[in-house]
Amino acid sequence: QSALTQPASVSGSPGQSITISCTGTSSDVGGYNYVSWYQQHPGKAPKLLIYDVSNRPSGISNRFSGSKSGNTASLTISGLQAEDEADYYCNSYAGSSTLYVFGTGTKVTVL
Amino acid sequence: EVQLVQSGAEVKKPGESLKISCKGSGYSFTNYWIAWVRQMPGKGLEWMGLIYPGTSDIRYSPSFQGQVTISADKSINTAYLQWSSLQASDTAMYFCARRGDSRLFDPWGQGTLVTVSS
Repeated sequence: QSALTQPASVSGSPGQSITISCTGTSSDVGGYNYVSWYQQHPGKAPKLLIYDVSNRPSGISNRFSGSKSGNTASLTISGLQAEDEADYYCNSYAGSSTLYVFGTGTKVTVL
Repeated sequence: EVQLVQSGAEVKKPGESLKISCKGSGYSFTNYWIAWVRQMPGKGLEWMGLIYPGTSDIRYSPSFQGQVTISADKSINTAYLQWSSLQASDTAMYFCARRGDSRLFDPWGQGTLVTVSS
Protein backbone atom coordinates (compact mmCIF):
# COMPACT_ATOMS: atom_id res chain seq x y z
CA GLN A 1 0.00 0.00 0.00
CA SER A 2 1.61 3.26 -1.10
CA ALA A 3 1.48 6.42 0.97
CA LEU A 4 -1.04 9.05 0.00
CA THR A 5 0.51 11.85 -2.05
CA GLN A 6 0.90 15.32 -0.54
CA PRO A 7 2.93 18.29 -1.78
CA ALA A 8 6.29 18.41 -0.02
CA SER A 9 5.88 22.05 0.91
CA VAL A 10 3.35 24.87 0.87
CA SER A 11 3.96 28.43 1.96
CA GLY A 12 1.94 31.56 2.54
CA SER A 13 2.02 34.95 4.17
CA PRO A 14 0.28 35.71 7.46
CA GLY A 15 -3.43 36.17 6.94
CA GLN A 16 -3.53 34.28 3.66
CA SER A 17 -5.22 30.96 3.01
CA ILE A 18 -3.42 27.84 1.85
CA THR A 19 -4.65 24.41 0.78
CA ILE A 20 -2.86 21.09 1.14
CA SER A 21 -3.94 18.24 -1.09
CA CYS A 22 -3.89 14.53 -0.28
CA THR A 23 -4.30 12.22 -3.26
CA GLY A 24 -5.03 8.53 -2.97
CA THR A 25 -7.10 5.98 -4.84
CA SER A 26 -10.61 4.59 -4.86
CA SER A 27 -9.36 1.99 -2.34
CA ASP A 28 -8.66 4.60 0.32
CA VAL A 29 -9.48 8.32 0.08
CA GLY A 30 -12.07 7.86 -2.64
CA GLY A 31 -13.70 4.83 -1.09
CA TYR A 32 -14.40 6.03 2.44
CA ASN A 33 -15.25 9.22 4.30
CA TYR A 34 -12.58 8.46 6.88
CA VAL A 35 -9.91 11.02 6.08
CA SER A 36 -8.21 12.72 9.02
CA TRP A 37 -5.53 15.40 9.22
CA TYR A 38 -2.73 15.87 11.76
CA GLN A 39 -0.42 18.75 12.62
CA GLN A 40 3.08 18.03 13.90
CA HIS A 41 5.43 20.66 15.24
CA PRO A 42 9.15 19.79 15.36
CA GLY A 43 9.94 17.36 18.15
CA LYS A 44 6.29 16.98 19.12
CA ALA A 45 3.63 14.33 18.72
CA PRO A 46 1.05 14.72 15.96
CA LYS A 47 -2.20 16.46 16.85
CA LEU A 48 -5.61 15.73 15.34
CA LEU A 49 -7.05 18.64 13.34
CA ILE A 50 -9.82 17.13 11.17
CA TYR A 51 -11.62 13.78 11.10
CA ASP A 52 -14.23 12.19 8.84
CA VAL A 53 -13.09 14.49 6.00
CA SER A 54 -14.44 17.73 7.41
CA ASN A 55 -15.17 17.49 11.14
CA ARG A 56 -13.19 19.47 13.70
CA PRO A 57 -12.61 18.13 17.22
CA SER A 58 -13.48 20.47 20.04
CA GLY A 59 -10.72 22.98 20.66
CA ILE A 60 -9.50 23.12 17.07
CA SER A 61 -9.71 26.54 15.43
CA ASN A 62 -12.30 27.02 12.69
CA ARG A 63 -9.44 28.34 10.56
CA PHE A 64 -8.83 24.69 9.73
CA SER A 65 -11.26 23.02 7.34
CA GLY A 66 -11.33 19.81 5.32
CA SER A 67 -13.02 18.59 2.16
CA LYS A 68 -12.87 15.77 -0.38
CA SER A 69 -13.52 15.36 -4.08
CA GLY A 70 -13.08 11.96 -5.65
CA ASN A 71 -9.72 10.49 -4.66
CA THR A 72 -8.32 13.78 -3.33
CA ALA A 73 -8.85 15.26 0.12
CA SER A 74 -7.84 18.78 1.05
CA LEU A 75 -6.99 20.73 4.19
CA THR A 76 -7.41 24.49 4.07
CA ILE A 77 -5.84 26.82 6.61
CA SER A 78 -7.34 30.29 6.50
CA GLY A 79 -5.95 33.39 8.20
CA LEU A 80 -2.49 31.82 8.26
CA GLN A 81 -0.59 32.46 11.51
CA ALA A 82 3.05 31.96 12.49
CA GLU A 83 2.03 29.14 14.83
CA ASP A 84 0.65 27.19 11.85
CA GLU A 85 4.20 26.56 10.65
CA ALA A 86 4.48 22.77 11.03
CA ASP A 87 4.25 19.49 9.16
CA TYR A 88 0.80 18.25 8.15
CA TYR A 89 -0.22 14.67 7.44
CA CYS A 90 -3.40 13.20 6.05
CA ASN A 91 -4.58 9.69 6.90
CA SER A 92 -7.24 7.52 5.32
CA TYR A 93 -8.94 4.27 6.15
CA ALA A 94 -8.04 1.82 3.39
CA GLY A 95 -10.25 -1.20 3.92
CA SER A 96 -10.10 -4.31 6.07
CA SER A 97 -6.81 -5.60 4.64
CA THR A 98 -4.52 -2.57 4.75
CA LEU A 99 -6.63 -0.63 7.29
CA TYR A 100 -4.82 2.73 7.29
CA VAL A 101 -2.42 4.77 5.23
CA PHE A 102 -0.73 8.11 5.93
CA GLY A 103 0.14 10.83 3.48
CA THR A 104 3.72 11.74 2.64
CA GLY A 105 3.50 14.93 4.68
CA THR A 106 3.58 18.64 3.84
CA LYS A 107 5.78 21.27 5.43
CA VAL A 108 3.93 24.55 5.82
CA THR A 109 6.05 27.67 5.96
CA VAL A 110 4.69 31.05 7.03
CA LEU A 111 6.62 33.69 5.15
CA GLU B 1 -8.12 13.84 30.75
CA VAL B 2 -7.47 11.11 28.21
CA GLN B 3 -3.72 10.52 28.11
CA LEU B 4 -1.17 8.11 26.67
CA VAL B 5 2.26 8.04 28.31
CA GLN B 6 5.09 6.17 26.62
CA SER B 7 8.26 4.69 28.04
CA GLY B 8 11.56 6.51 27.73
CA ALA B 9 14.20 6.64 25.04
CA GLU B 10 16.22 3.51 24.34
CA VAL B 11 19.69 2.92 22.91
CA LYS B 12 20.32 -0.63 21.75
CA LYS B 13 22.79 -2.62 19.70
CA PRO B 14 21.88 -4.54 16.54
CA GLY B 15 20.53 -7.96 17.36
CA GLU B 16 19.21 -6.98 20.79
CA SER B 17 15.57 -7.27 21.78
CA LEU B 18 13.35 -4.43 22.98
CA LYS B 19 9.85 -3.83 24.31
CA ILE B 20 8.45 -0.30 24.61
CA SER B 21 5.22 0.64 26.33
CA CYS B 22 2.24 2.97 26.12
CA LYS B 23 0.07 3.46 29.22
CA GLY B 24 -3.44 4.81 28.87
CA SER B 25 -5.39 6.74 31.48
CA GLY B 26 -8.57 8.78 31.76
CA TYR B 27 -10.75 6.41 29.73
CA SER B 28 -11.81 2.78 29.47
CA PHE B 29 -8.59 1.27 28.09
CA THR B 30 -10.24 -1.98 27.01
CA ASN B 31 -12.79 -0.27 24.76
CA TYR B 32 -10.53 1.53 22.28
CA TRP B 33 -7.96 0.35 19.77
CA ILE B 34 -4.35 1.49 20.31
CA ALA B 35 -2.24 2.13 17.22
CA TRP B 36 1.53 2.23 16.80
CA VAL B 37 3.12 4.65 14.31
CA ARG B 38 6.75 4.88 13.18
CA GLN B 39 8.57 8.05 12.20
CA MET B 40 12.08 7.55 10.92
CA PRO B 41 14.51 10.47 11.24
CA GLY B 42 13.38 13.34 9.03
CA LYS B 43 10.62 11.24 7.48
CA GLY B 44 6.86 10.89 7.58
CA LEU B 45 4.41 8.86 9.64
CA GLU B 46 3.93 5.15 8.95
CA TRP B 47 1.07 3.14 10.44
CA MET B 48 2.38 -0.12 11.95
CA GLY B 49 -0.56 -1.85 13.57
CA LEU B 50 -3.43 -1.83 16.05
CA ILE B 51 -4.49 -3.74 19.12
CA TYR B 52 -7.85 -3.89 20.88
CA PRO B 53 -6.89 -4.42 24.53
CA GLY B 54 -10.28 -5.80 25.49
CA THR B 55 -9.82 -8.91 23.36
CA SER B 56 -6.16 -8.62 22.26
CA ASP B 57 -7.35 -8.60 18.64
CA ILE B 58 -4.33 -7.38 16.63
CA ARG B 59 -4.06 -6.04 13.09
CA TYR B 60 -0.73 -5.37 11.43
CA SER B 61 0.13 -3.19 8.47
CA PRO B 62 1.37 -5.50 5.70
CA SER B 63 4.64 -3.52 5.79
CA PHE B 64 5.29 -4.44 9.43
CA GLN B 65 3.77 -7.92 9.70
CA GLY B 66 6.45 -10.27 11.05
CA GLN B 67 8.82 -7.41 11.86
CA VAL B 68 7.36 -6.39 15.22
CA THR B 69 4.97 -7.77 17.85
CA ILE B 70 2.14 -5.77 19.35
CA SER B 71 0.60 -6.80 22.67
CA ALA B 72 -1.30 -5.38 25.63
CA ASP B 73 -1.86 -6.00 29.34
CA LYS B 74 -5.33 -4.72 30.13
CA SER B 75 -4.79 -5.22 33.86
CA ILE B 76 -2.36 -2.30 33.83
CA ASN B 77 -3.81 -0.36 30.87
CA THR B 78 -0.64 -0.75 28.84
CA ALA B 79 0.10 -1.58 25.22
CA TYR B 80 3.48 -2.76 23.96
CA LEU B 81 5.58 -2.81 20.82
CA GLN B 82 8.47 -5.23 20.71
CA TRP B 83 11.32 -6.42 18.55
CA SER B 84 13.16 -9.72 18.90
CA SER B 85 16.25 -8.65 16.96
CA LEU B 86 16.75 -4.95 16.29
CA GLN B 87 18.42 -3.57 13.18
CA ALA B 88 19.92 -0.15 12.54
CA SER B 89 16.97 0.54 10.27
CA ASP B 90 14.65 0.34 13.30
CA THR B 91 16.09 3.64 14.53
CA ALA B 92 13.06 5.92 14.73
CA MET B 93 10.56 7.68 16.93
CA TYR B 94 7.62 5.45 17.77
CA PHE B 95 4.24 6.88 18.73
CA CYS B 96 1.18 5.22 20.15
CA ALA B 97 -2.26 6.73 19.58
CA ARG B 98 -5.81 5.86 20.59
CA ARG B 99 -8.12 5.11 17.70
CA GLY B 100 -11.35 6.96 18.28
CA ASP B 101 -14.87 5.93 17.43
CA SER B 102 -14.56 7.22 13.91
CA ARG B 103 -11.23 5.94 12.63
CA LEU B 104 -9.28 8.91 13.92
CA PHE B 105 -6.14 8.85 16.05
CA ASP B 106 -6.40 10.94 19.19
CA PRO B 107 -4.72 11.49 21.55
CA TRP B 108 -1.12 10.54 20.84
CA GLY B 109 1.61 9.53 23.23
CA GLN B 110 4.69 11.72 23.49
CA GLY B 111 6.79 9.26 21.49
CA THR B 112 9.64 6.88 22.30
CA LEU B 113 12.95 7.38 20.50
CA VAL B 114 14.67 4.10 19.69
CA THR B 115 18.29 4.28 18.55
CA VAL B 116 20.00 1.15 17.27
CA SER B 117 23.73 1.49 16.82
CA SER B 118 26.79 -0.65 17.25
